[in-house]
Amino acid sequence: EVQLGESGAEVVQPGGSLRLSCAASGISFGGYWGHWVRQVPGKGLIWVSHVNPDGSITEYGDSVAGRFTVSRDIAQDTVVLQMNSLTTEDTGVYYCARDRSTSTFVPFRWFDSWGQGILVIVSS
Amino acid sequence: IVMTQSPATLSVSPGERVTLSCRASQDIDKKLAWYHQRPGQPPRLLVYATSTRATVAPARFSGRGSETEFTLTISSLQSDDIGTFFCQQYQTWPYNFGQGTTLDIK
Repeated sequence: EVQLGESGAEVVQPGGSLRLSCAASGISFGGYWGHWVRQVPGKGLIWVSHVNPDGSITEYGDSVAGRFTVSRDIAQDTVVLQMNSLTTEDTGVYYCARDRSTSTFVPFRWFDSWGQGILVIVSS
Repeated sequence: IVMTQSPATLSVSPGERVTLSCRASQDIDKKLAWYHQRPGQPPRLLVYATSTRATVAPARFSGRGSETEFTLTISSLQSDDIGTFFCQQYQTWPYNFGQGTTLDIK
């Protein structure tokens, strides 16, 4: 498991897996929606996934659906992204981000706090 | 929805007024946010709902617009404002961002 806020980059082979945690970000996710956003140089920011306050609702971008799983870690008051079947297209800096909506069903969809990010490189 | 920002880069003197543009490919019902990203840092929220300034955003930042045309204005550029500014629509999933306008100080 990789904590956002750790220095350096994570290198994974194509087809591999990685688990990202936002626990070290200093952001409290308790009662709020959590999102993951990827940044790729030249392609800007790409929304990846979100999870609602109680973990019962998750959604994914088309490029990661079926391979990534977002969840909440209630004990650590954070959000986690499990990434499987990684491809070179998944390379980028991954940020966790908080959405201040406390609704179970409706996020605000703008992000008031962001973690420091972790560079994930998928390469053989 | 495609978000297009202009200009791509801008070089401005301290104290100058700066206006950045963001265009949506369809009406987004004012569901637009702006973020500022300094080099090596995560983005930071400046404005949401087109014109509501975030609590941590300085008063020199203001947003306006409607339908498909939006602007972010910096009333008096400070050296802290270098970096890239992104707009983001959240009217329709997926919540697309613009490619950014990179600002540097003359």
